[in-house]
Amino acid sequence: EAGVAQSPRYKIIEKRQSVAFWCNPISGHATLYWYQQILGQGPKLLIQFQNNGVVDDSQLPKDRFSAERLKGVDSTLKIQPAKLEDSAVYLCASSLMGYSPLHFGNGTRLTVT
Amino acid sequence: KQEVTQIPAALSVPEGENLVLNCSFTDSAIYNLQWFRQDPGKGLTSLLLIQSSQREQTSGRLNASLDKSSGRSTLYIAASQPGDSATYLCALYGGDSSYKLIFGSGTRLLVRP
Repeated sequence: EAGVAQSPRYKIIEKRQSVAFWCNPISGHATLYWYQQILGQGPKLLIQFQNNGVVDDSQLPKDRFSAERLKGVDSTLKIQPAKLEDSAVYLCASSLMGYSPLHFGNGTRLTVT
Repeated sequence: KQEVTQIPAALSVPEGENLVLNCSFTDSAIYNLQWFRQDPGKGLTSLLLIQSSQREQTSGRLNASLDKSSGRSTLYIAASQPGDSATYLCALYGGDSSYKLIFGSGTRLLVRP
């Protein structure tokens, strides 16, 4: 079984620039999550999709962050404009359904200078 | 609001020692609890999942226990090895049907040869 794929692995941008991350979940997984992990902290949920629809985006800074899940499969997370405090690892995860175990990608490490 | 705490934040032990990592949570209404391992620059790998009706789960040298009434879970690692060095995170699904996995901030483990 192929795992969760994320790209790019690393990204360095200047503040006020924009950036996009891509995630391809495990085939057949209905639920997709984007987490933000700041150094030394646990992952924080940004947005959760169930198929095409958004289940929870209560912690997504909607003035600068946006996300979509295309045809219930791949997903993109965008930041525009970026701030210094957005420097973090952005993790994508997927699960089969409901309370199933989560499978994580390797993440994208974003540095905002 | 459910909160998950992991103490200590960092732990250094000599090779061969048995050790216990702690995870506490504030609301006992949980669906299940997972322990993850995170290597530097990598995503999260699921180690063990305990359903709310279970008391413990074992995999090789790892044993995880769950005591919902006291709001605690422990991860026991027997005969630690340098390859066990990583950050260990616990995460749980609350019983509120949100399918949202809530993470602790992790324990960074170093096993010295």
